[in-house]
Amino acid sequence: AQSVTQPDIHITVSEGASLELRCNYSYGATPYLFWYVQSPGQGLQLLLKYFSGDTLVQGIKGFEAEFKRSQSSFNLRKPSVHWSDAAEYFCAVVLVTGTASKLTFGTGTRLQVTL
Amino acid sequence: DAGVTQSPTHLIKTRGQQVTLRCSPISGHKSVSWYQQVLGQGPQFIFQYYEKEERGRGNFPDRFSARQFPNYSSELNVNALLLGDSALYLCASKDYATETQYFGPGTRLLVL
Repeated sequence: AQSVTQPDIHITVSEGASLELRCNYSYGATPYLFWYVQSPGQGLQLLLKYFSGDTLVQGIKGFEAEFKRSQSSFNLRKPSVHWSDAAEYFCAVVLVTGTASKLTFGTGTRLQVTL
Repeated sequence: DAGVTQSPTHLIKTRGQQVTLRCSPISGHKSVSWYQQVLGQGPQFIFQYYEKEERGRGNFPDRFSARQFPNYSSELNVNALLLGDSALYLCASKDYATETQYFGPGTRLLVL
């Protein structure tokens, strides 16, 4: 069964510093991978996704992620964090079977940004 | 364009009661999925519906049921509520062209 691990429960960075959030997946085939962000009390907003092709994908709000098959990783990065980036970040993998698809999420990483 | 909408936003129930949550997908999306997010956890898959048929079910008891209507909106029903059902319930509609799910703001259910 597919699974997603986010090793860091909580990360604190200073505004303007770079950010990397880790995500490791377990999946039998080439995965479809996603990063979502959730602000307090809100739903999930899609940041970016990887299906195939270029292993470096660009998303919204200046985020990017790199797919590394050899490390089963899909880490999220941002070169300069803004205070408004404080939120919870979820990595997810989707299992597609015909018309059925199920997202499996990691436990999330809470990002705190200090001024 | 309107995104995924859910109602109500908040709900308080007592143990043993029943609850119905509603979701309207993005226009043109025919698939709706439901997820439960307990505080401090990632969302857990409950159901997926496509063209009014159940296409997937997560590891949830039979107290949880859902249906999809001809206009592709959906309802999630939970019977005999337990304290542990307190959570944020998220609905997502799927764009099959991009295999991407878009989430609504969620319904926060508190069971007392």
